[in-house]
Amino acid sequence: DAGITQSPRHKVTETGTPVTLRCHQTENHRYMYWYRQDPGHGLRLIHYSYGVKDTDKGEVSDGYSVSRSKTEDFLLTLESATSSQTSVYFCAIRGTGSTDTQYFGPGTRLTVL
Amino acid sequence: GIQVEQSPPDLILQEGANSTLRCNFSDSVNNLQWFHQNPWGQLINLFYIPSGTKQNGRLSATTVATERYSLLYISSSQTTDSGVYFCAPSPFGNEKLTFGTGTRLTIIP
Repeated sequence: DAGITQSPRHKVTETGTPVTLRCHQTENHRYMYWYRQDPGHGLRLIHYSYGVKDTDKGEVSDGYSVSRSKTEDFLLTLESATSSQTSVYFCAIRGTGSTDTQYFGPGTRLTVL
Repeated sequence: GIQVEQSPPDLILQEGANSTLRCNFSDSVNNLQWFHQNPWGQLINLFYIPSGTKQNGRLSATTVATERYSLLYISSSQTTDSGVYFCAPSPFGNEKLTFGTGTRLTIIP
């Protein structure tokens, strides 16, 4: 357990509304990641962060923004949700030490109607 | 970007059987990880294995980086091994993992 929580765990929203998902870690890890998981695609990286206020895009960043104002929190925002953003969203951290092992949070299931 | 192919896509086995899952990738890598996603959706890191062989109980993994593939072995399967297994490499100079589409393993009692 790498001390990662995600909130909310489930959310249903309507097309066009803004949505923010939160990832919180308790162990001061530098790197944090947001992925989405869809049938047939495995996990795809949306955005990642390598420090406070340091973020970069992943493979599927269009329609998403992120913010990291403190080490423990990494926020993912859908400015105007669309049905194509219905997915399960996972947050991950990169462990410290000699490996780059990633550890995942429990996920957030988002449905956009 | 790097291409990742996992095989087989689906595997159904009796409890007690052994299995081998394969991951092929298209570029040289400095990081490769195996994950298990259980039927409740939780993702667990199994191995960090950019090269060589590692074992953890009934599971072991081997990566042959020069030939661009990795294998995950599961021996004496148990029903709790059911779920989806993902391989995720990242090429040199890239900090981002790319996930394959997974192998869905079902263990029948």
